[in-house]
Amino acid sequence: AIRMTQSPSSFSASTGDRVTITCRASEGISSYLAWYQQKPGKAPKLLIYAASTLQSRVPSRFSGSGSGTDFTLTISCLQSEDFATYYCQQYSTYPRTFGQGTKVEIK
Amino acid sequence: QVQLQESGPGLVKPSETLSLTCTVSGGSISSYYWSWIRQPPGKGLEWIGYIYYSGSTNYNPSLRSRVTISVDTSKNQFSLKLSSVTAADTAVYYCARHRGIYDSSGYYDDAFDIWGQGTMVTVSS
Repeated sequence: AIRMTQSPSSFSASTGDRVTITCRASEGISSYLAWYQQKPGKAPKLLIYAASTLQSRVPSRFSGSGSGTDFTLTISCLQSEDFATYYCQQYSTYPRTFGQGTKVEIK
Repeated sequence: QVQLQESGPGLVKPSETLSLTCTVSGGSISSYYWSWIRQPPGKGLEWIGYIYYSGSTNYNPSLRSRVTISVDTSKNQFSLKLSSVTAADTAVYYCARHRGIYDSSGYYDDAFDIWGQGTMVTVSS
């Protein structure tokens, strides 16, 4: 199975900050990568697919980039509603696998 | 708007079989892939397996010997059975849709775009 590793596992940031989360795949996955946001007690919400395509109705402050093994999720101007845990997920091969998550906390 | 709703027992005894159903409303179960994903308390996400509306399946090798996913298109439902459960199977179980298509820009989209709210299943005697 492809292993997905996110960094950092958690960090603190302030509203208005530009933040970046990194996801690395253990082998090349082309652009078959998605990013999700999860808030406590809620299901994950799809933000980005195909590494950089914004899902419908997701704010444009979210962006994704990368291909092959290295990917990033950037939030250009952190809003209060963005404090959550973020997961990357590969859909290049089965079994589908997720990163361990990155928790973005309020500084 | 398509919505998913999981249902089933919240408590299962060790060695017994966990059974959950996901009901699809607001749209047809046809032409899409439907997965089960779980999340142990305080931990990350694990994909369990999928079923295509036609009935073809693919399971996570780590669970394959214990998992069965089935579909009932007449009821717009799909189901999960996980046998011989232990405490390690305690988790929130989600059902989710993925499209497995190329979008209008030519990008392959097989992400999980619609999720159920999740149902907590505890394995305990």
